[in-house]
Amino acid sequence: QQPVQSPQAVILREGEDAVINCSSSKALYSVHWYRQKHGEAPVFLMILLKGGEQKGHDKISASFNEKKQQSSLYLTASQLSYSGTYFCGTARGGANNLFFGTGTRLTVIP
Amino acid sequence: EAQVTQNPRYLITVTGKKLTVTCSQNMNHEYMSWYRQDPGLGLRQIYYSMNVEVTDKGDVPEGYKVSRKEKRNFPLILESPSPNQTSLYFCASSSEYANTGELFFGEGSRLTVL
Repeated sequence: QQPVQSPQAVILREGEDAVINCSSSKALYSVHWYRQKHGEAPVFLMILLKGGEQKGHDKISASFNEKKQQSSLYLTASQLSYSGTYFCGTARGGANNLFFGTGTRLTVIP
Repeated sequence: EAQVTQNPRYLITVTGKKLTVTCSQNMNHEYMSWYRQDPGLGLRQIYYSMNVEVTDKGDVPEGYKVSRKEKRNFPLILESPSPNQTSLYFCASSSEYANTGELFFGEGSRLTVL
């Protein structure tokens, strides 16, 4: 039932770009993105509520393709502070509930 | 300060000894939820609650109980803990429907069952 994320892990040098994908076998109502730094709680990044919606702040943005039941998180010109594990969360149909993926560990090195 | 507070943060216990992990939020949120985090498996939902006296199972409810007698509190109960319940547990709350609102997480409770 969990959404599937890819890649499972990625290592970047500062300034490089990365894309994290999240897909579901079920129809999606919304897609959420969270980042968890080592030893800390997950922190909210953004929610996409409509198919075709794109959002972003700073150099982190995301898109939601409702038809393909997938979302992508884009990190551009990565900074050391972007390191952490990224989780997508999906709500299926009209369910008032959120299920998270297995996570993508992103490491940014100098 | 708006926050979700979990206790204990760390606990080592033995198989079969009942324990409760408390969760309290001071934001008047209606929605609360428990997740467990295990390496390679991400965050998996145990139970959630839409409001007082309204609870429902998530993906991995076996071996756990919850109650929601007050809006601010959502304790997680392990009646007879087993080693496979060794994990990092997070409580979370939201002011809106969970599928449209931001989840606020507690700092986590690391549980070891011997």
